Amino acid sequence: QKEVEQNSGPLSVPEGAIASLNCTYSDRGSQSFFWYRQYSGKSPELIMFIYSNGDKEDGRFTAQLNKASQYVSLLIRDSQPSDSATYLCAVSRDYKLSFGAGTTVTVRA
Amino acid sequence: DTGVSQDPRHKITKRGQNVTFRCDPISEHNRLYWYRQTLGQGPEFLTYFQNEAQLEKSRLLSDRFSAERPKGSFSTLEIQRTEQGDSAMYLCASSQSPNQETQYFGPGTRLLVL
Repeated sequence: QKEVEQNSGPLSVPEGAIASLNCTYSDRGSQSFFWYRQYSGKSPELIMFIYSNGDKEDGRFTAQLNKASQYVSLLIRDSQPSDSATYLCAVSRDYKLSFGAGTTVTVRA
Repeated sequence: DTGVSQDPRHKITKRGQNVTFRCDPISEHNRLYWYRQTLGQGPEFLTYFQNEAQLEKSRLLSDRFSAERPKGSFSTLEIQRTEQGDSAMYLCASSQSPNQETQYFGPGTRLLVL
């Protein structure tokens, strides 16, 4: 079992719709949770982090964390073509990040 | 805040050669991390430093890999006797402990071993 698993994708959504990304993790000792966006050929760029159970909103992005279910999600509202990228879920334990393989999102105009 | 920088951005080498990459973290960040990413996968942790101390090294890292951070500022990652399987993007990240766990990534060094 991989430490961090994400929807394999690709996920195609129309412009203006909500994109929903899911991530599960196996290590119950995971302490912090991150979503990174990665454009093709570029390095990961931080979108959001979340430490506590519940929701956290930042602009068009909402992260949700449920530690009991070992589940993290990311919602992208009002999706734009510029949101087309691979989204990486990462979990942290003892300062090291473990990443999922990523979900590729395509926003079609 | 100039961000994390890495040099070179691209490297092509022949199998068996040694290569060295450099990473300059965000100036006030005392933790520095190295990751490797292959196509279609997320980054994999290799090693990290707090100041000049190397605190952990992944079991995935063979003896051909070595990293240093001699003065607690920039870091180098050396790969000796490169193999084709070493072809990947090598990513450096930094964070500021103890208050921030968030890691910020540099642009990466893309290595191709022929």
